[in-house]
Amino acid sequence: DVKVTQSSRYLVKRTGEKVFLECVQDMDHENMFWYRQDPGLGLRLIYFSYDVKMKEKGDIPEGYSVSREKKERFSLILESASTNQTSMYLCASSLARGDANSPLHFGNGTRLTVT
Amino acid sequence: AQTVTQSQPEMSVQEAETVTLSCTYDTSESDYYLFWYKQPPSRQMILVIRQEAYKQQNATENRFSVNFQKAAKSFSLKISDSQLGDAAMYFCACQEPSGGGADGLTFGKGTHLIIQP
Repeated sequence: DVKVTQSSRYLVKRTGEKVFLECVQDMDHENMFWYRQDPGLGLRLIYFSYDVKMKEKGDIPEGYSVSREKKERFSLILESASTNQTSMYLCASSLARGDANSPLHFGNGTRLTVT
Repeated sequence: AQTVTQSQPEMSVQEAETVTLSCTYDTSESDYYLFWYKQPPSRQMILVIRQEAYKQQNATENRFSVNFQKAAKSFSLKISDSQLGDAAMYFCACQEPSGGGADGLTFGKGTHLIIQP
C-alpha cells in the first residue's frame, strides 16, 4: 500500500512564525500535492509538483511556498504564518500525471492553528 | 476549467438502509474521470470508487455504486446496506487528464454522512 506520511498531526504556531509542513511518500510517485481543507469550502489546491525541483501554483498559493528537493518529499512553507492560515492541510501523491489509474493517495492531515 | 457541486452538506440514514449522495459537475472535456473519496473521522481520505467518462457502465465496488448520467453531468453515489463505518465526509471529484495543473482534479465541498444506529 502507498503510504503518505505527514510529519505532524497537530501544530500550533504564533503569528509571524515561519512554518514547515513535511510530507513523505514511499511509492516513488511523480506527483505530489498540498491541499487546504476548510469547513464548507472542501479541498483547495495550494501547490503541486510533477518532478523534483519543480513546482506549480494551485488555486490559492498566496502566503505559501513549497520545496521538492527529493522525489519522495514535498514541503509546504508558510513564510510568515497568519491566523487566516489556520486550517487542515492535506498532502497527496499520485503515480503519474493524467493517469486516472493512479488516483490520489492522501496523508492523515495536519491541523494547523495559528494564534 | 471544471466545477463540482455537492448540493447536500449533510445526509442522515438509518443503519442497513440505502442512501444516495448527489454530485453534479461541469467540464468542457469529453474525456475525464470521476471519483468519490471518503474521509472518516480519522481524517485520511480514501478512494471509494472511480468512473471513466467513456464507459457507459456504472462502476460498482461492493456496497458502493454510482449512477453516472453523462448528458446530465451527474455522478451520484449509492451506498447500500449502510454500516456505522460508512459515517464520514464524502467528496466528489473530477479529473481532466488533458487539463493543466494537478491532473485537473477538482473537488466538491463534501457531504457529511451520518449513520443512525
